[in-house]
Amino acid sequence: EAQVTQNPRYLITVTGKKLTVTCSQNMNHEYMSWYRQDPGLGLRQIYYSMNVEVTDKGDVPEGYKVSRKEKRNFPLILESPSPNQTSLYFCASSLRVNTGELFFGEGSRLTVL
Amino acid sequence: DQQVKQNSPSLSVQEGRISILNCDYTNSMFDYFLWYKKYPAEGPTFLISISSIKDKNEDGRFTVFLNKSAKHLSLHIVPSQPGDSAVYFCAASNNAGNMLTFGGGTRLMVKP
Repeated sequence: EAQVTQNPRYLITVTGKKLTVTCSQNMNHEYMSWYRQDPGLGLRQIYYSMNVEVTDKGDVPEGYKVSRKEKRNFPLILESPSPNQTSLYFCASSLRVNTGELFFGEGSRLTVL
Repeated sequence: DQQVKQNSPSLSVQEGRISILNCDYTNSMFDYFLWYKKYPAEGPTFLISISSIKDKNEDGRFTVFLNKSAKHLSLHIVPSQPGDSAVYFCAASNNAGNMLTFGGGTRLMVKP
């Protein structure tokens, strides 16, 4: 089954404690991206990757890091989480972003205390 | 400044009637537009798209209209069904094909 898998789905952590949200896709997609969803703001892009070892900032990259060492994986790293990073995070993949559909994971709800 | 805006946070429609969801954008460089549907506790799923060279695209009960001069697109759902109740996001892609910008979403409620 074609899918994008994120882990963890839910996480409560404390300020400053480094964490990683993993994302894996099994569709051999070149493009992968991370979004955060906040009330009234919709989905805002954090980082994206056009291919292995190619990453770039989206609209809200501050406080986040990513890496793309393999085609299928695109982890999101919060080196020192802060409460304003409390949000719902989505990973997505696509053959190419402007051909149409992005395939989204089920989301990871992160709370930073 | 939001480049893609959905000015109605919610919409309530009777089953069987038409649902019209609206979206405005400001960036004239956008050349591909999409609608996504999101149920609670799930990721968004792609619904329908339209290229900037077209003004209409239809897929079953769903039709997207694009008015480039007004920088406006709309999604029509006819007839609306209770299962259509969800949050709908419009999105726009730049012509470089590397970023997708989303609107804030509209929550559609279809009443039986």
